[in-house]
Amino acid sequence: AQSVTQLGSHVSVSEGALVLLRCNYSSSVPPYLFWYVQYPNQGLQLLLKYTSAATLVKGINGFEAEFKKSETSFHLTKPSAHMSDAAEYFCAVSRSGSARQLTFGSGTQLTVLP
Amino acid sequence: DAGVIQSPRHEVTEMGQEVTLRCKPISGHDYLFWYRQTMMRGLELLIYFNNNVPIDDSGMPEDRFSAKMPNASFSTLKIQPSEPRDSAVYFCASSLPRYTGELFFGEGSRLTVL
Repeated sequence: AQSVTQLGSHVSVSEGALVLLRCNYSSSVPPYLFWYVQYPNQGLQLLLKYTSAATLVKGINGFEAEFKKSETSFHLTKPSAHMSDAAEYFCAVSRSGSARQLTFGSGTQLTVLP
Repeated sequence: DAGVIQSPRHEVTEMGQEVTLRCKPISGHDYLFWYRQTMMRGLELLIYFNNNVPIDDSGMPEDRFSAKMPNASFSTLKIQPSEPRDSAVYFCASSLPRYTGELFFGEGSRLTVL
């Protein structure tokens, strides 16, 4: 079985501060890992994905995530938060890279304070 | 290119009424997914289709729920009869034939059952 745990359902940062959203996974096989973002009243969109190539993955809007097998983690970071980053972020894991086997985390709501 | 299109965006109905949600996937995508999002349960996969054929409907909560995909450009999710606990945001998503790990989500249909 595979699962993801997102630590912290709500995270607040000041504009310009570092964003760190935590995700830990469990998977019996090497996983495919994803971060999706959901802006208010919209569907989810892919931020970035890890598919066993480089462990540091760069995504859209300045976000990146690092796959750490020893820690079973895939934390999302951005050096400097912008007001437009306020959204809900979902970590997801897939055993085979298949969309039909995606398991989403419970989400982290990011608030950016002026 | 147009994204995944869902209708209606908002639906308010009374308990016992039939509800039909509609989805038009991105042209050329041959996987279509229906998800439900609630505060309590997060994102749940209800059913997915490949080439218009239902592959896995194990996430459909009850017999009151049914989904069809009569052709490559149209799918429906029907609830009959509806109940207040069905209130949620329902998302349709599609993906490419050769899966890259990316789901393309519609903007969702927010259903409120009174």
